Amino acid sequence: QVQLVESGGGLVKPGGSLRLSCAASGFTFTDYYMSWIRQAPGKGLEWVSYISSSSDYTNYADSVKGRFTISRDNAKNSLDLQMNSLRVEDTALYYCARGGYDSVVKYWGQGTLVTVSS
Amino acid sequence: EIVLTQSPGTLSLSPGERATLSCRASQRVSSSYLAWFQQKPGQAPRLLIDAASSRATGIPDRFSGSGSGTEFTLTISRLEPEDFAVYYCQRYGTSLTFGGGTKVEIK
Repeated sequence: QVQLVESGGGLVKPGGSLRLSCAASGFTFTDYYMSWIRQAPGKGLEWVSYISSSSDYTNYADSVKGRFTISRDNAKNSLDLQMNSLRVEDTALYYCARGGYDSVVKYWGQGTLVTVSS
Repeated sequence: EIVLTQSPGTLSLSPGERATLSCRASQRVSSSYLAWFQQKPGQAPRLLIDAASSRATGIPDRFSGSGSGTEFTLTISRLEPEDFAVYYCQRYGTSLTFGGGTKVEIK
């Protein structure tokens, strides 16, 4: 069965950095785009970024462009999100998800919480 | 950038009633790239409908999706107790956009 397990969340001060990871299993990782989607406490869903299966195409929401970098390691079936210059408004539960550009986001992890606060 | 507007924000209904949720796009959206999700408290979203009207695997047939262009609808024919949740529409493709959500609550 498809499993997506996020890690790396935590408490960080404004302006700080954090790196999230997602371990994928149960499907052929190299067949799919992968995405990060976030949800601020009590709010709706917001797409953050996606990456193509071979890493040759990435896209970002305007709210994170220039601060966040998505990457993947197909040999390790893993997806990362490097988050720099973090802001209070980046506080959210960050979900790793399969799909995003050419296929629907069918599978989601359980999320990792990022809190940006002084 | 395409904006998805969901209405109503909250729908108060009783079990057994019919729920009709609307998702309106600011520009035409290809039906092939319109999805609906259900989210319950403390859980990740669950895919209900893809391509505007195709039920995902394991989704009961009381859930149905319809629409095209800029107007899409999710219908729950008879609400079961487990259907009370928040529902999101989503457009995917070049960028992913979510609607603001509709909360279906017990009246």
